[in-house]
Amino acid sequence: QVQLQESGPGLVKPSETLSLTCTISGGSISTNYWTWIRQPPGKGLEWIGYVYHSGSTNYNPSLKSRVTISVDTSKNQSSLKLTSVTTADTAVYYCARPYGPWADALDIWGQGTMVTVSS
Amino acid sequence: DIQMTQSPSSLSASVGDRVTITCRASQSISDYVNWYQQKPGKAPKVLIYAASSLPSGVPSRFSGSGSGTDFTLTISSLQPEDFAAYYCQQTYSTPRTFGQGTKVEIK
Repeated sequence: QVQLQESGPGLVKPSETLSLTCTISGGSISTNYWTWIRQPPGKGLEWIGYVYHSGSTNYNPSLKSRVTISVDTSKNQSSLKLTSVTTADTAVYYCARPYGPWADALDIWGQGTMVTVSS
Repeated sequence: DIQMTQSPSSLSASVGDRVTITCRASQSISDYVNWYQQKPGKAPKVLIYAASSLPSGVPSRFSGSGSGTDFTLTISSLQPEDFAAYYCQQTYSTPRTFGQGTKVEIK
């Protein structure tokens, strides 16, 4: 079955760029679109945005000026880049699959990767 | 953006209790609401989709109801493994938004 795995640096310096990758296994990236979600420590879930296999994207307006989500179909991966990070960007970052027949509920999640923004 | 106001933010309950969590949308969203359960250190898991549909494998003690702006997640008889955080999410429009969460604790 489809599995997702996030990867990337666990520590990023303020003002730098956070870069994460979500690797999709057990299925093709081209059959769906892919979402990024984050969760600051002890807080709730925040939707970052999504990307279709075509490269079409939709971002949360609160992050739109700093975020880029892309796909690499040859590697079956989605990537997240967040520029000019601050301590407020410290969070667990998840990739997830919205499932169309389920009203786009997120039916498959990666295990999440913790990113700390600190000098 | 559609705001999802979830209540209560936390509750204490005993095994066997009936538990109800509500979510109110800032505008009508038909039945485009999903509910998730999250245990500490784990990714969320979908419990209910499209307001009232139960995915295969989710116990039948979980149910969802509502349409328009008011939605409810009910646990008919709380089990030890149900102590967790619960979130609603709307998928009617972007940005997709979540409720603030409800933490269900042991009384």
